[in-house]
Amino acid sequence: EIVMTQSPATLSVSPGERATLSCWASQSISSSLAWYQQKPGQAPRLLIYGASTRVTGIPDRFSGSGSGTDFSLTISSLQSEDIAVYFCQQYRERPSFGPGTKVDIK
Amino acid sequence: QVQPVESGGGVVQPGRSLRLSCAASGFTFSNYGMHWVRQAPGKGLEWVAVISYGGNTQYYVDSVKGRFTISRDNSKNTLYLQMDSLRTEDTAVYYCAKEFTQYAGDWFFDYWGLGIPVTVSS
Repeated sequence: EIVMTQSPATLSVSPGERATLSCWASQSISSSLAWYQQKPGQAPRLLIYGASTRVTGIPDRFSGSGSGTDFSLTISSLQSEDIAVYFCQQYRERPSFGPGTKVDIK
Repeated sequence: QVQPVESGGGVVQPGRSLRLSCAASGFTFSNYGMHWVRQAPGKGLEWVAVISYGGNTQYYVDSVKGRFTISRDNSKNTLYLQMDSLRTEDTAVYYCAKEFTQYAGDWFFDYWGLGIPVTVSS
């Protein structure tokens, strides 16, 4: 089983500032990584797949990078509507998710 | 609008059974693998099971093997999860989720249902 880890657990960022979220896999997953945004009471929303490919309709302030075991999601200029929990998920093998990073406004 | 809708959840005693349904619309259901993912209260996401687009292949997380059965009826655009021998640790919101790419079997998900709560408690 591939174990996913995320850091930090909570990230407080001022509006307009950059937010960088990290995700690690317990073994190499190549680029088989997706990022999701989940707001309270809502289902997760796919943002990024293939580690860096943004889904159609996702603002370009969201970007993903990394391969192998180390990945990151960057929100270049945080907006109020970006307040959510962000999960990474590997799909190299049977899916597993990270515990999530909660992003809030400083 | 692609929006799967789950139903069938509720409160059930340990050891009992429950059947979840997920009615899909807005896409060609029979072309996509479908999954169940759950989220325990205040916790992260846990993948539960997958069924291939044709229904021939199923896989499960170890903790539900032998207790849960995923199935689908492509003529009704509906996904199912039969949950037997339920345990308190199965308490969660259950989401059905659609694979991003048809036929491809890439196990990440572009559309999720709203989720249905299942509570296992005596």
